Amino acid sequence: QLQVQESGPGLVKPSETLSLTCTVSGGSNTRSNHYWGWIRQPPGKGLESPGMGLEWIGSIFYSGSTYYNPSLKNRATISVDTSMEQFSLKLTSVTAADTAVYYCARRVLSGGRVYDYFDYWGQGILVTVSS
Amino acid sequence: DIQVTQSPSTLSAFVGDRVTIACRASQSITSWLAWYQQKPGRAPKLLIYQASTLEDGVPSRFSGSGSGTEFTLTISSLQPDDFATYYCQQYNSFPLTFGGGTKVEIK
Repeated sequence: QLQVQESGPGLVKPSETLSLTCTVSGGSNTRSNHYWGWIRQPPGKGLESPGMGLEWIGSIFYSGSTYYNPSLKNRATISVDTSMEQFSLKLTSVTAADTAVYYCARRVLSGGRVYDYFDYWGQGILVTVSS
Repeated sequence: DIQVTQSPSTLSAFVGDRVTIACRASQSITSWLAWYQQKPGRAPKLLIYQASTLEDGVPSRFSGSGSGTEFTLTISSLQPDDFATYYCQQYNSFPLTFGGGTKVEIK
């Protein structure tokens, strides 16, 4: 069973860089595990609130090429280590608006083509931007 | 960017009810639409992809339909485990975009 886990600091100061890692384990090292994306979700107002909407940050291809959401104004960088078992996200010049639960999620490889919906998600990590 | 709009934002229903959630794209996305279910404190869970294909393990009471710009998610008989928030997502083109969500509450 594929396991996906985000890790990193839960608190980042304004204007600094948010750095997160996504670790994949428990699955075979097939190409189906080489396509990942990062999505974030501002926190809800309480335990019963599902949170606000989901925002796609960016995706990485097996080749290493990346696509980012233009709304982040070139602040995001996604990279992969050579073992293909860890993916990272860096987001520079953060503000309070970047406070969110950050998820890494697997894009789907089917019939030799990559589709940009997400079938496996990490549990998410809450990152708060505050001084 | 392709805008994705869901309606309603909140829906109250009884167990056993048939429930329909709508998703509209600002331009044609053919069938490149997915639906997710999210419960509080949990990651989204994939229910349907390519507008109408059920993900493995998802109960058959869930179904999706539509193409072009108009899509629907239907739960044929609402069960207690189905009270959650549902999101649609277009993957026709970057940037990927999600609907604002529909919260299904117990009536």
